Amino acid sequence: TQLLEQSPQFLSIQEGENLTVYCNSSSVFSSLQWYRQEPGEGPVLLVTVVTGGEVKKLKRLTFQFGDARKDSSLHITAAQPGDTGLYLCAGRGTGAGSYQLTFGKGTKLSVIP
Amino acid sequence: DSGVTQTPKHLITATGQRVTLRCSPRSGDLSVYWYQQSLDQGLQFLIQYYNGEERAKGNILERFSAQQFPDLHSELNLSSLELGDSALYFCASSVSILAGSPLHFGNGTRLTVT
Repeated sequence: TQLLEQSPQFLSIQEGENLTVYCNSSSVFSSLQWYRQEPGEGPVLLVTVVTGGEVKKLKRLTFQFGDARKDSSLHITAAQPGDTGLYLCAGRGTGAGSYQLTFGKGTKLSVIP
Repeated sequence: DSGVTQTPKHLITATGQRVTLRCSPRSGDLSVYWYQQSLDQGLQFLIQYYNGEERAKGNILERFSAQQFPDLHSELNLSSLELGDSALYFCASSVSILAGSPLHFGNGTRLTVT
């Protein structure tokens, strides 16, 4: 079983601050996705990264896939209260493991106005 | 709206009982996934189907079973329920099983076992 460790587990910051959350594994992933989940709802896809070293930007969010495709980070610039939620990373394995999408336990972000 | 429909939204039942959770995938999606989410374990993969066939199995208990029907909807059956089975159960669908295919999640069924 491939494990994804996310850190920090909880993060509470003031509006306007920057933050980075991390997703690490000892396994190689064919692709990695980031989702955001709000209370009472299912996770919603933010981005997919597939190439080692890839960087993708989505407005104030910057996602990076590690060169070895074992880790990823999500950086948020000038956080806003609307960014509050549970951020989940999820990786697909290689070969036969590519059918399964494994999730980390998430980082719960609170942005205080 | 993800296009994935899960019913019921809430379910309260007693230990030892059996329940069925239903999922209708997004139109055009052939693959259905079931996940269990609890506070301490996060989102745990249970099982995946593609076009009616089981493709991957995660940490699914023997008391749990699932199937995907010809019309592509899926059901997750949970039997001999225990208190520890209380959790949010999510269904997700994707158009393919290729790497990078995004999952579209329903809003879940909250199961409470008393």
